[in-house]
Amino acid sequence: GENVEQHPSTLSVQEGDSAVIKCTYSDSASNYFPWYKQELGKRPQLIIDIRSNVGEKKDQRIAVTLNKTAKHFSLHITETQPEDSAVYFCAASIDSGAGSYQLTFGKGTKLSVIP
Amino acid sequence: DVKVTQSSRYLVKRTGEKVFLECVQDMDHENMFWYRQDPGLGLRLIYFSYDVKMKEKGDIPEGYSVSREKKERFSLILESASTNQTSMYLCASSFEGPTGTNEKLFFGSGTQLSVL
Repeated sequence: GENVEQHPSTLSVQEGDSAVIKCTYSDSASNYFPWYKQELGKRPQLIIDIRSNVGEKKDQRIAVTLNKTAKHFSLHITETQPEDSAVYFCAASIDSGAGSYQLTFGKGTKLSVIP
Repeated sequence: DVKVTQSSRYLVKRTGEKVFLECVQDMDHENMFWYRQDPGLGLRLIYFSYDVKMKEKGDIPEGYSVSREKKERFSLILESASTNQTSMYLCASSFEGPTGTNEKLFFGSGTQLSVL
């Protein structure tokens, strides 16, 4: 089955700096890669996702890049703010259009933004 | 706004008890999921269902079963609770994309289960 490795497990940055979280996956057939953010005591929420037909996707201060050849994808947060402090999870799935919905999550990265 | 509701926020049970965790969603989603979340281990899929009365094993189904008798409700059952099942349990739902593609997961608030 799919295996997703996520690094680093913890990350501290100064407010205003950029943060990068990296994930690698094992199954070359995976083609859907979402990122979820979980604030302390709250439920995970999708912040951005990418499918393998594109190499990069941006949404304001958040971007995700995908390198299919190397089987890795990354989350980039620019101009970090204290409200970006949370645990971030990457995930991978085979989006076959045949009812395959099994997302495999990474172990999470705890991001702390220091004011 | 999509609502995924889990019946209990905190639950304390004894070893050997049968435990039911209930999840209800109000958006007519086809797909429903049960995950457990443990520190340092991330989110691990226990079971999922893509239709009424349909169920599929996830990565860690041992010691669990599920029931989906109605589209909006997905129940997780611990037949005989054990201490290693102490965890945060998260239910999620999603609709099926126009070509059967993966779509956004909506999570419930979670149930923190303690088995003593």
